[in-house]
Amino acid sequence: GENVEQHPSTLSVQEGDSAVIKCTYSDSASNYFPWYKQELGKRPQLIIDIRSNVGEKKDQRIAVTLNKTAKHFSLHITETQPEDSAVYFCAASGTGGSYIPTFGRGTSLIVHP
Amino acid sequence: DAGITQSPRHKVTETGTPVTLRCHQTENHRYMYWYRQDPGHGLRLIHYSYGVKDTDKGEVSDGYSVSRSKTEDFLLTLESATSSQTSVYFCAISTPTGGTDTQYFGPGTRLTVL
Repeated sequence: GENVEQHPSTLSVQEGDSAVIKCTYSDSASNYFPWYKQELGKRPQLIIDIRSNVGEKKDQRIAVTLNKTAKHFSLHITETQPEDSAVYFCAASGTGGSYIPTFGRGTSLIVHP
Repeated sequence: DAGITQSPRHKVTETGTPVTLRCHQTENHRYMYWYRQDPGHGLRLIHYSYGVKDTDKGEVSDGYSVSRSKTEDFLLTLESATSSQTSVYFCAISTPTGGTDTQYFGPGTRLTVL
């Protein structure tokens, strides 16, 4: 089955800096890559996603890039703010026509004021 | 919040007792999922359902069973709870469209097995 590796497990930045979280996947048939943000004590919520026919997608301060050849995708957050502090999960799905996603283990992002 | 609720939100139980968690949705989504979340492990799929009475196992299904007799309800049962099942349980729903599947999560249930 699909395997998703996510790095780093913890990321600490100063407010205003950029943050990058990287994920790799094993199955080249995966075609959908969502990112979820989970604030402390809350549910995971979708913040951005990308399909395999797109190389990059932006939404204000966040962007996701996909490299299908290398089988990795990344989340970029610019001008970080304290409210960006949360756990971020990547996921991959679409292998073999299945919609069941495989999640990475999460990255705890800490933004220091 | 995609019309998804979970009950109870918190539960403390003893080893060996049966426990049932309920997930309820109001938007007629076809797929429903149960995950557990533990530190260092992220979200791990327990079971999922792709329709009424249609369910399948996830990667950590041992010790858990599920039932879906109505579109809106998906039940997770721990037949005989163990301390290793202490976790936060999230239900999720989705309706795959165009080859993609965005999941929407419920608020979670924190289960403690003593």
